[in-house]
Amino acid sequence: EPEVTQTPSHQVTQMGQEVILRCVPISNHLYFYWYRQILGQKVEFLVSFYNNEISEKSEIFDDQFSVERPDGSNFTLKIRSTKLEDSAMYFCASSSFGTGSYEQYFGPGTRLTVT
Amino acid sequence: ILNVEQSPQSLHVQEGDSTNFTCSFPSSNFYALHWYRWETAKSPEALFVMTLNGDEKKKGRISATLNTKEGYSYLYIKGSQPEDSATYLCAFGGGSQGNLIFGKGTKLSVKP
Repeated sequence: EPEVTQTPSHQVTQMGQEVILRCVPISNHLYFYWYRQILGQKVEFLVSFYNNEISEKSEIFDDQFSVERPDGSNFTLKIRSTKLEDSAMYFCASSSFGTGSYEQYFGPGTRLTVT
Repeated sequence: ILNVEQSPQSLHVQEGDSTNFTCSFPSSNFYALHWYRWETAKSPEALFVMTLNGDEKKKGRISATLNTKEGYSYLYIKGSQPEDSATYLCAFGGGSQGNLIFGKGTKLSVKP
């Protein structure tokens, strides 16, 4: 069964460093998402991406964040200068359609720890 | 700000017990309600996507109902098994852009 994969599973970085989190969505999906969950809090939407453009972004997704689909398979989230409060589990998801009524398939997440 | 609430926060049951939990969401601008099952270190697994008021969906021993007019959904597990232990997340799909708004989840522990 096709699945969304994410690497690395755990990333530790120092404050101020840049990190890139990688995702391989399901191959025939066209809509891609990043969410995050800070420990003890709700899963929060960060950004959606379609046709090589950001479709929607939350207020969390400021200038420190960027997304890219560098080739036909990978989808990346970059945090330019990490802060302590960026420590969270980051989930990638993909979907065949872009509305809220279609199933989104999630990866297992990357746990980012900023020290 | 759209808010999705789940209760209870956690639940401990014995194997064989049936259980249910609640998801409350805004009743306006409703698109869909998603239920996910999330085991630690694994991907959240989609259980149901519900779109119609009065919808009832079933997957094995797990079922869900939806009331969009009053803004709630129930998830039922019949005859809980230890492998049902997980966090159950609901998410409100409120727009045409697809972003989901999650509740905090209900953590279910089933003791053998």
